[in-house]
Amino acid sequence: GQNIDQPTEMTATEGAIVQINCTYQTSGFNGLFWYQQHAGEAPTFLSYNVLDGLEEKGRFSSFLSRSKGYSYLLLKELQMKDSASYLCAVRDRGNSGYALNFGKGTSLLVTP
Amino acid sequence: GAGVSQSPRYKVAKRGQDVALRCDPISGHVSLFWYQQALGQGPEFLTYFQNEAQLDKSGLPSDRFFAERPEGSVSTLKIQRTQQEDSAVYLCASSRGQSYNEQFFGPGTRLTVL
Repeated sequence: GQNIDQPTEMTATEGAIVQINCTYQTSGFNGLFWYQQHAGEAPTFLSYNVLDGLEEKGRFSSFLSRSKGYSYLLLKELQMKDSASYLCAVRDRGNSGYALNFGKGTSLLVTP
Repeated sequence: GAGVSQSPRYKVAKRGQDVALRCDPISGHVSLFWYQQALGQGPEFLTYFQNEAQLDKSGLPSDRFFAERPEGSVSTLKIQRTQQEDSAVYLCASSRGQSYNEQFFGPGTRLTVL
């Protein structure tokens, strides 16, 4: 299994930039995912990293360092609608190799 | 439909009752996953299907939990003799197949066991 750690809560101001960190331990790393989940709704896919480096997609970027077991999600030009829980998930080659193992999520509050 | 659908959206059961939760994945999606999400926690993996084959059920918490996908499309998660600790949101996700990374989640079924 994996130990996936991410901060429980973060607060940031509208228009600012926020970085949400995630650290993990796994024996058979096979990809890292970030999902966004608004309260009472389904998680929605944000990004996928399997190689080291930065993946940019609009206002959202995700970084991975496999040697450090570390990833971050960077959100730029924050909007009020970005207030949500952000879930870091790791896929491992163990078991079926396809299930995601999620962290507990980081609850982000964007303030005016 | 356009996305993954689940029914019912809300279910209240008395302790000891059996419940059945349904998932309709996106049409043509080969892979189907069930997750359990407790309040304030991330989803936890329960089981995985590829078409009608249940390839991984290592996350099912006890033998009271049973999942099936007999025709490789709709899936049902059954919980027998429900207990209070079963109260959670049960999420279903589907993806196109093994080589595809994105899992599309349904809205979940919120189960409350009294």
